Amino acid sequence: KQEVTQIPAALSVPEGENLVLNCSFTDSAIYNLQWFRQDPGKGLTSLLLIQSSQREQTSGRLNASLDKSSGRSTLYIAASQPGDSATYLCAVKEAAGNKLTFGGGTRVLVKP
Amino acid sequence: DTAVSQTPKYLVTQMGNDKSIKCEQNLGHDTMYWYKQDSKKFLKIMFSYNNKELIINETVPNRFSPKSPDKAHLNLHINSLELGDSAVYFCASSLASGISEQYFGPGTRLTVT
Repeated sequence: KQEVTQIPAALSVPEGENLVLNCSFTDSAIYNLQWFRQDPGKGLTSLLLIQSSQREQTSGRLNASLDKSSGRSTLYIAASQPGDSATYLCAVKEAAGNKLTFGGGTRVLVKP
Repeated sequence: DTAVSQTPKYLVTQMGNDKSIKCEQNLGHDTMYWYKQDSKKFLKIMFSYNNKELIINETVPNRFSPKSPDKAHLNLHINSLELGDSAVYFCASSLASGISEQYFGPGTRLTVT
């Protein structure tokens, strides 16, 4: 059974510092991995999708890497801003099946 | 334009009642999903439909019954509501069940008293 873990559960950094968010998964037979952002009381916004054949994806200040063999993905957010404060979730789609399995999220606070 | 919409946004009801949550997507996607986010913020898949056909049915009580009248809609009906059903329910959709991203609705916060 696939399990997805995100460490740390919470992170507080001063504005301008780079953020590093970790995601690990137990079964490397994944189809893709998706990073989401969730603001309090709101839905999920997709940030980046990495296919299993890719090693990284970039969008603006965001960069996500994937090491499928070791079951890890890292989301880097450069030059953090207070507006980056949110919960970040990673989710993996297994090769067999259609569902996403989510991690517990990392709650990020960027202090001005 | 809202891509994935859910109604209602908030739902407060008493134990034993039956309620429905509606979901619509205007993205032309073939696959739709229902997820449950509990009080500890863990998101878990409940159901997935591809082109109106059920393809995922996780271990969910049969009090929960999804209905897909067409591929743009996936509604969730819950019978005999229990306190433990209180959660945020998210609808999502994707172009296909394979490589594509999932897009989520804003969620419906269900509170059972």
